[in-house]
Parts: sequence; C-alpha cells; structure tokens
Amino acid sequence: AQRVTQPEKLLSVFKGAPVELKCNYSYSGSPELFWYVQYSRQRLQLLLRHISRESIKGFTADLNKGETSFHLKKPFAQEEDSAMYYCALSGNTGFQKLVFGTGTRLLVSP
Amino acid sequence: DAGVTQSPTHLIKTRGQHVTLRCSPISGHKSVSWYQQVLGQGPQFIFQYYEKEERGRGNFPDRFSARQFPNYSSELNVNALLLGDSALYLCASSLAGVGYGYTFGSGTRLTVV
Repeated sequence: AQRVTQPEKLLSVFKGAPVELKCNYSYSGSPELFWYVQYSRQRLQLLLRHISRESIKGFTADLNKGETSFHLKKPFAQEEDSAMYYCALSGNTGFQKLVFGTGTRLLVSP
Repeated sequence: DAGVTQSPTHLIKTRGQHVTLRCSPISGHKSVSWYQQVLGQGPQFIFQYYEKEERGRGNFPDRFSARQFPNYSSELNVNALLLGDSALYLCASSLAGVGYGYTFGSGTRLTVV
C-alpha cells in the first residue's frame, strides 16, 4: 500500500531555530518524494523533490530508503516559513497519482 | 501565464443535487488531475486525464466522473451530492506524466447542505 505519514499536526518554533518536519512513507518500489507547501491564502505549490537534490528557500530533504523517510529540514527558521507543509509520493514512471500525507502546520514565532 | 484556473471558487449545493467543477490547465499542459481535500486532511487523488483519456482513478464512488476536452480543459462532475462531499476540490496540470511535476490551482470550495 502507498502511504505517507506526517506524525506532527503542528510544529511551533522560534525564529532562528532549526526545523525538521518528519515524513515517513510506505511504497513497494522506487517512489518519487515531494514536499509541497501552502502559505496562507495561497495555492499548494511544489517546494522540492528528492530527485532534484536542491535547496529551496533554505530547505533540504534527503531520501533515506532504509528508514523510508524524507524529512524536511532548515537550519534557521524564518517567520515567512510559517505555512502548511505536505509530504507526497508517487511512482516514478508514466502517469502516477500523488499520495499526500495529512500535513504539518509550521508556525515560526518572532 | 495564468496558471491553473478553476471555477467556480466557491459553491453551495443541497444534498442530492449535481455539481460540475471546471479546470483550465497551464497552456501547453496536456494532463489534468483532480484531488479532493477534506478539512484537516491532505489532498486525495480522484482522477487523472491525459490527451482526453482517463489514466488513473482513485477510490471514489461512481457518482464522481470527469472528462477532458480537446483544449485540455477538464470537468469534474459529482452526482447525488452527500454532506461528506463537502471539500476543497483541487485541479493539477502537468505537461505529461509524473516526471514533469504538477501545478495546482486554487481550488473550488464545495459546501453541501
């Protein structure tokens, strides 16, 4: 079964603190992993994907196949990072649906 | 580029009624997917279309149907509405398959009373 688990509904940190949003997945095969972000009153948008291995807005995520995890990290949180974050997976070929987790709300306080 | 546009933005319907939601993909994108997002949950896959053909269907009842037109726009239809159909319905477009990434619209908020 394809499943994405985000154990934290809410993560509250102070500005400048490190952030780690947890994501674990279940998938038989080689999935593609994504992080999507939704800022207040904005549409869902792609933050990063594991195959790109890039850093967006200071966020990084490493795919750990042994632990089936794809945690999102940022060393120093900013207030503008406050948003809803969704981890998602799909198959890696053809036409594949995205399977989303339930999301984690990140709140960065001054 | 206008991005993915969805209409209407909000809709209130009565139980048992029918609803049609519309989506226009980004220019040049040939694939459209539909997702349902219930409050407090992540989006759930409903349908995917590419070149007017259904390429995937999620675990939704037959009351849900969709189609894609020659201009790649799409409609999602829901018959015999239930209270539980109240949700944000998202449309996502892509050039083709998963490797090209998905761009989401702002959604249609459907309330069934």
